Amino acid sequence: DIVMTQSPDSLAVSLGERATINCKSSQSVLYSSNNKNYLTWYQQKPGQPPKLLIYWASTRESGVPDRFSGSGSGTDFTLTISSLQAEDVAVYYCQQYYTTPYSFGQGTKLEIK
Amino acid sequence: EVQLVESGGGLVQPGGSLRLSCAASGFTFSSHWMHWVRQAPGKGLVWVSRINTDGSITNYADSVKGRFTISRDNAKNTLYLQMNSLRAEDTAVYYCARRDSSGYLDIWGQGTMVTVSS
Repeated sequence: DIVMTQSPDSLAVSLGERATINCKSSQSVLYSSNNKNYLTWYQQKPGQPPKLLIYWASTRESGVPDRFSGSGSGTDFTLTISSLQAEDVAVYYCQQYYTTPYSFGQGTKLEIK
Repeated sequence: EVQLVESGGGLVQPGGSLRLSCAASGFTFSSHWMHWVRQAPGKGLVWVSRINTDGSITNYADSVKGRFTISRDNAKNTLYLQMNSLRAEDTAVYYCARRDSSGYLDIWGQGTMVTVSS
């Protein structure tokens, strides 16, 4: 099974500042035949289901603000929020969909400093 | 509007059974693989199971294999999760999710709470 590990577990950032969350997979999630990384990022607010932010590691889902961006390849990935807004307070999860089980990272709780 | 609505959760004793349902609307249900994901109170997301478009392929997390059964009725646009031999550690919110044709989970329901306790 692929193990996903996020860092840090929690993060406090000032409004308007950059937030960076890292995700590492125990094996590569890059599929060589199409050169795509099978990695998504979700945002989850209290009492709500996860919301898809990023797929293919760097493709923003329709309607997601452009302050959210994803990067990385192979085993190391990053979610960046370029200018933190109050509504971005949430828990963020990475997930690999390269193979079953579709494993998630443990989550990173993002708060306002 | 594309929508998934789970139902069937509740309180059940250890060793008991429960069947969850997920009603889909706003899209061609029969064209999508579907998944179940759960989240214990205050914990992270854990993948549970998936099923292909016609129900002929199913996969499970090791923690539920042999106890849970995923199925679907494309005529009713509904996904199911039959949960048997329930344990306290199965207590969680259960979400159904749609798999996009590219593989990622793009649409999620609001979830249904399952509590296993005596």
